[in-house]
Amino acid sequence: EAGVTQSPTHLIKTRGQQATLRCSPISGHTSVYWYQQALGLGLQFLLWYDEGEERNRGNFPPRFSGRQFPNYSSELNVNALELEDSALYLCASSLWGQGNNEQFFGPGTRLTVL
Amino acid sequence: AQKVTQAQTEISVVEKEDVTLDCVYETRDTTYYLFWYKQPPSGELVFLIRRNSFDEQNEISGRYSWNFQKSTSSFNFTITASQVVDSAVYFCALSENRSGRRALTFGSGTRLQVQP
Repeated sequence: EAGVTQSPTHLIKTRGQQATLRCSPISGHTSVYWYQQALGLGLQFLLWYDEGEERNRGNFPPRFSGRQFPNYSSELNVNALELEDSALYLCASSLWGQGNNEQFFGPGTRLTVL
Repeated sequence: AQKVTQAQTEISVVEKEDVTLDCVYETRDTTYYLFWYKQPPSGELVFLIRRNSFDEQNEISGRYSWNFQKSTSSFNFTITASQVVDSAVYFCALSENRSGRRALTFGSGTRLQVQP
C-alpha cells in the first residue's frame, strides 16, 4: 500500500512569490493535515481538511491556505512568500471518524525562500 | 490549551546503552491520545506508537517500550540496547478527542545520537 506522497521534494522561490505544495493521502484516508517544521520552531499545525472542507486551522496568517479535492488529495498555497516561510512542510493523512487520530506522514516538501 | 514538553534537547549514548526519552503533557480533556514519532535524517516522520488516555498499560515492542502514567502526565519512551540506526529526532505528540481538535500538538523533540 502506497504511503502519503508529496510533491515537489524541493521548491525554491523568491520573496513575494507564491508556492503550491501537493499531497496525496493513503488510499482510504479522508483527512489531510499540513504541518510546518521551521528551524528552531518545531512542528506546528497549519491546516486540517476532511471531505473537502477545512476543519481546523493553526495560528498562521491567511496567506497560508489550501484545499482538498474530491479524491482527497490536497494542496497548500502560500502567498506573498516571506523569508521565514522557509521550512519543511509535512503532510499527513488519517481515517476520519477515528478518535485516535493516527496520522501517517509524507516525506515533506522543503521550501526555500530567497 | 494542550502542551507537550520534551525537556531533553539532545541525548548522546554509546551503542548498547539503554536510553529513556521523557515526555510530559498538559490537557484539559479526559479523553486524549499520545503518540511517539521518529524523524530520521531523511525528514519523514515515522509513527511508533499511539496510546489512549484510558489505557495505562505499558507497552513493549522489541527494543522499544513506553511508560504511560496519567498521575504524572508523562509518556516516556525507552530504547533498550540502543543501536546506531536509532539515531534520529524523536517527537512526542498529543491530540484531543474533541471535534475540531484532532491536530497533533508536538513537543520540541529530542535528538538522540547513538555512537558506535
